[in-house]
Amino acid sequence: GNSVTQMEGPVTLSEEAFLTINCTYTATGYPSLFWYVQYPGEGLQLLLKATKADDKGSNKGFEATYRKETTSFHLEKGSVQVSDSAVYFCALSDRNSGYALNFGKGTSLLVTP
Amino acid sequence: SQTIHQWPATLVQPVGSPLSLECTVEGTSNPNLYWYRQAAGRGLQLLFYSVGIGQISSEVPQNLSASRPQDRQFILSSKKLLLSDSGFYLCAWSVTGIASETQYFGPGTRLLVL
Repeated sequence: GNSVTQMEGPVTLSEEAFLTINCTYTATGYPSLFWYVQYPGEGLQLLLKATKADDKGSNKGFEATYRKETTSFHLEKGSVQVSDSAVYFCALSDRNSGYALNFGKGTSLLVTP
Repeated sequence: SQTIHQWPATLVQPVGSPLSLECTVEGTSNPNLYWYRQAAGRGLQLLFYSVGIGQISSEVPQNLSASRPQDRQFILSSKKLLLSDSGFYLCAWSVTGIASETQYFGPGTRLLVL
């Protein structure tokens, strides 16, 4: 079945450091791919998405490119801020369950001043 | 604009007690609705989804059940809670349930079973 694997956390970075959170997936067909973010004490919100191969999603300085050849959707940001501290979830849409999201386990990011 | 509500925000329940969590969506019609659970140390797991009134699909066998008595209302229930039911429960909706559709999440209910 479909699955998402993302790097284990927690990840601790200094402000203005470069961020990469790896995400790979296994899926039949051509799923859409998402990154969701959960700030402390809050629910999930969409960060960015890509719906087909080679698409690049971007938002708030974050980027991720849908790589079909490597089945990856790595999240990157050139210069993180303290306010980026959160848990990041990679996910794909699963057509076998009403297009529900199949999530990775989440990666906790802590950015220190 | 569309909004999604969940209540209660937090709940502490003894083992063996019943459970009812409610989710409602405003500002849209016939949404796809989803219940997820986030347990400590684990990722988000889909529990149930619904594509219409009275239509419920279960993803994980367990002692939980879901119902959709109205178009924009989704209820998660249990007759007898287990310790393992503790977690953060999130309700979500999407417009039509196509692959590229964004899902919008409620604020969640934090459940602690003692």
